[in-house]
Amino acid sequence: SQQGEEDPQALSIQEGENATMNCSYKTSINNLQWYRQNSGRGLVHLILIRSNEREKHSGRLRVTLDTSKKSSSLLITASRAADTASYFCATAATGANSKLTFGKGITLSVRP
Amino acid sequence: SAVISQKPSRDICQRGTSLTIQCQVDSQVTMMFWYRQQPGQSLTLIATANQGSEATYESGFVIDKFPISRPNLTFSTLTVSNMSPEDSSIYLCSVVDRRRETQYFGPGTRLLVL
Repeated sequence: SQQGEEDPQALSIQEGENATMNCSYKTSINNLQWYRQNSGRGLVHLILIRSNEREKHSGRLRVTLDTSKKSSSLLITASRAADTASYFCATAATGANSKLTFGKGITLSVRP
Repeated sequence: SAVISQKPSRDICQRGTSLTIQCQVDSQVTMMFWYRQQPGQSLTLIATANQGSEATYESGFVIDKFPISRPNLTFSTLTVSNMSPEDSSIYLCSVVDRRRETQYFGPGTRLLVL
């Protein structure tokens, strides 16, 4: 069963705009990770946020985590056409021995 | 970060046949995983490949259909047995770096079963 549920399922924005994607989950977690996938290829790891962290930054990426609401958001600032991809959140549940449970994914289209 | 390669990158197979997918990592890792991604879907964990012992399968996946080998800390194989068109998917291996908790994925094997 899938733990992470992202929304929106699809997002279309203009180049230069910011893109915000949300993820909700159900159980207690050790960490939450965001991945990008281009056209059905392998997953590229973007960022990991631990359960005791509230916010992390990496370049144009900003991730927040609210464990009380069991939700996370991924913000991509100043988007580029190359950011067009599918984005997945994945949770490592407490005691799950590093196994990840993936959400359904968000399709982001950045129009040039 | 770990560098992971998979072979083959893609294949087209006839139903009833089997395909073995290889996953090679450039460093020794304790934990390796195999995932399936059906067309237009998210990733689902098939099993955890344990070095020196049998793989641990998730609900809905069985060893007879998806036998896994893990002969050492840098290599694993997943076999998709007696394939049917429903097995058409991308199969991905991954490893986790315990120090960083991050899970890295291979490029995937795209399988089409006719």
